[in-house]
Parts: sequence; C-alpha cells; structure tokens
Amino acid sequence: AQKITQTQPGMFVQEKEAVTLDCTYDTSDQSYGLFWYKQPSSGEMIFLIYQGSYDEQNATEGRYSLNFQKARKSANLVISASQLGDSAMYFCAMRDLRMDSSYKLIFGSGTRLLVRP
Amino acid sequence: DSGVTQTPKHLITATGQRVTLRCSPRSGDLSVYWYQQSLDQGLQFLIQYYNGEERAKGNILERFSAQQFPDLHSELNLSSLELGDSALYFCASSAEAGAGTNEKLFFGSGTQLSVL
Repeated sequence: AQKITQTQPGMFVQEKEAVTLDCTYDTSDQSYGLFWYKQPSSGEMIFLIYQGSYDEQNATEGRYSLNFQKARKSANLVISASQLGDSAMYFCAMRDLRMDSSYKLIFGSGTRLLVRP
Repeated sequence: DSGVTQTPKHLITATGQRVTLRCSPRSGDLSVYWYQQSLDQGLQFLIQYYNGEERAKGNILERFSAQQFPDLHSELNLSSLELGDSALYFCASSAEAGAGTNEKLFFGSGTQLSVL
C-alpha cells in the first residue's frame, strides 16, 4: 500500500529565507507521481508542483522546487525567498501512474508553515 | 480560482439528517473526485466518477453516496449524519480518468459540514 509521511507538523521560517518541507513515501509501484499542495487558511487546495518517478530532473515551478531522491524515497519541497503569503498548510501527495489506476491521491498529514516578518 | 465550484460553502445540520453537497467541475473535465478532510483522518479519498460512471471507490461509508449527472456536475449525499461526519468535503476534477497521466487535480474550495 502507498503511504506518505510528513514528519514536521509545524515549521517557522524568516521572511525571504528558504525553507525545506520534508516528505517521504512508501510504494512498491515503479511508476508514480508526487505532488505538493498548499492549503491557506481560507481552505482551498492549491496545486504547487509535480514530480514523476521517471523524471530525471527535479521539478521547479517559480519559487518552488522539489528535491526528489528516489533511492531514499523522499520528495522534499523547497520554497525559496519565503513570503508572508506562504504561511499555510502544505500537503505532499502521491498517486500511482499504472494504466489501470484512477487518479486517487494519497495525502500526508501536512506541515503548517508560518513565515515570520 | 481553480474553476471547480462547490456549494454550499458551509452547512450546519443535526445528527440523523441528510444533506447534499454539489460540485461543478472545470469546463471540459470529465472526472470528479470527492475527498473528506477531518482533523483525525486527514485528507481521504472517497469516490471518483468519470463521465457519469463510478471509477474508483475509497473509504466511503455506506451512508454516503454520490452520482455524476449528464452535465458532469456531481452530488455527494450524506445521510443519517453523525457528529464524526463533521469535516471539510472537497470536490476535485481532472480532464481524464487519470490513468497513466501526470495531470494535476484541481480542487474546489470545499464545503464545511458541521453536524451538531
């Protein structure tokens, strides 16, 4: 069974500094996708970044990058130059990419990030 | 704005009651997914519909049911409500059924259900 583990319930970061949010995963599948979502206090889930298991390069989307270490089964999110608006819950998620699979996402428990001015 | 619309935003009801949550997917998306977010269980997949047909089922209780209509909007029906059903219910949509693709899932803003 697939499982996502986020070991940091909460983190602080100073504005303009970089922060890394940890995510480890467990799966026996060879083909899978890893996602990060942001959930601000307003409640919506906002897609941030995606990494496929066969992607050779780490994904980047603006200030977000994903530090993908396949052998260690980790997919850490790096936010550079933190902004006050980055304060939110962050969820790591995974789905398998087999042709007979659905789009079911398995989510971690989340990390609450607070950016200090 | 994700383009996924959920109504109502908030719902307060009593135990034993029945409620219906509504979701309109992004224009052109054929798949609709329902997720439940609670403090003790986190984010859990409930059910997926693709073009009107049930595609995948997760931890959905028998008291809960869903359907997707010909215009592709979906409804999640929750009956015989219990205190523990209080949660944020998300709808999400994607263009395809999800098989073999890396496309993103677009989430609505959720319906906050409070069972008193």
